[in-house]
Amino acid sequence: DAMVIQNPRYQVTQFGKPVTLSCSQTLNHNVMYWYQQKSSQAPKLLFHYYDKDFNNEADTPDNFQSRRPNTSFCFLDIRSPGLGDAAMYLCATSTDRGLSPLHFGNGTRLTVT
Amino acid sequence: ELKVEQNPLFLSMQEGKNYTIYCNYSTTSDRLYWYRQDPGKSLESLFVLLSNGAVKQEGRLMASLDTKARLSTLHITAAVHDLSATYFCAVRTTSGTYKYIFGTGTRLKVLA
Repeated sequence: DAMVIQNPRYQVTQFGKPVTLSCSQTLNHNVMYWYQQKSSQAPKLLFHYYDKDFNNEADTPDNFQSRRPNTSFCFLDIRSPGLGDAAMYLCATSTDRGLSPLHFGNGTRLTVT
Repeated sequence: ELKVEQNPLFLSMQEGKNYTIYCNYSTTSDRLYWYRQDPGKSLESLFVLLSNGAVKQEGRLMASLDTKARLSTLHITAAVHDLSATYFCAVRTTSGTYKYIFGTGTRLKVLA
């Protein structure tokens, strides 16, 4: 089945130690999104790629970076995680026509110690 | 900037009762989506509403869209405990590179 896969499901990192989360898709969708979701809050868009074009949200901290080396893969890098970065990170994909919903991965739960 | 608000934020209801969740958005959009999220899980798609007047139904849930009022509703009929979850609406921007902005969420608890 076509899907969106995030790895790892759970990630524990130390304060200030860089961490990378990965997302892959077999849907061949041209748009990929990274959302941050903290407890009891709505998913918050960090950035997205429309094909190879990177689109950053104005309020996304500089600490967060992303890479999309090809259509199938996208990475979220947190350069110096703080305690406030502990959250669920959700990767999602879509086509640009919006006729179908966002397809979400299972998420990565990040803990910062 | 597109803003999406839901109400109520919390909803506790008895099994068998009916209720409606509202989703308001601030700027023009022609795409609205409803999702369900169980605790600790990712988001599961429920409905895709693509035009003014669209109505979709699945089981005890029915969603509708009024693009002129910038309002969508999610109606729950004869609630059962299994519907307990958090429900989000999301709106897609119509310009630029198609961002999906989520509403504040409604945490539903159905009491047996």
